[in-house]
Amino acid sequence: QKEVEQDPGPLSVPEGAIVSLNCTYSNSAFQYFMWYRQYSRKGPELLMYTYSSGNKEDGRFTAQVDKSSKYISLFIRDSQPSDSATYLCAMNQGGSEKLVFGKGTKLTVNP
Amino acid sequence: EADIYQTPRYLVIGTGKKITLECSQTMGHDKMYWYQQDPGMELHLIHYSYGVNSTEKGDLSSESTVSRIRTEHFPLTLESARPSHTSQYLCASSGWGDRGVVSYEQYFGPGTRLTVT
Repeated sequence: QKEVEQDPGPLSVPEGAIVSLNCTYSNSAFQYFMWYRQYSRKGPELLMYTYSSGNKEDGRFTAQVDKSSKYISLFIRDSQPSDSATYLCAMNQGGSEKLVFGKGTKLTVNP
Repeated sequence: EADIYQTPRYLVIGTGKKITLECSQTMGHDKMYWYQQDPGMELHLIHYSYGVNSTEKGDLSSESTVSRIRTEHFPLTLESARPSHTSQYLCASSGWGDRGVVSYEQYFGPGTRLTVT
């Protein structure tokens, strides 16, 4: 079983839709959770960084962590065509440099 | 502007050649990383460094080597390229959080797409 599972999609939504992206994980020691956005032929760009459980909001983006269910989510409100990218979740248990990544979900927002 | 740079962005090279992928950052970060990314697959850590003269191997076995002589520079070298080395190589850096708290946020460069023929 992989430490981090992420549905690769692809996910296609109309402009203005609310998008929900998710990852599940098996290692209960993970404490730090990140979401990255990666455009085609570019490096990943850090979107959200959260510690432990709870919600964090930044503009149209909300990151949610449920440690009891080992489940994290990224919500995108009022999605735009410029949000079309691959979204990667990543996790760290602390005390280590190792980030464990999901495979990424490819999102297309259609105008 | 604080940023992380990688050159070249694209490289096509023949088997057996020696190559060096360059990575530099102006973020003022101590920690730097090299990842390998294949299409549809997870990023895998191949090397990291805590600072000058510090290098460590990551989870994914790699025939590449790295050096860290200057804080801002972390080049990756392949002594003899093979087709199995064809991949995207991503460099990242990480610093301290607010008030000196450990931060695990990593910031990535644009990547080098390597093709070995």
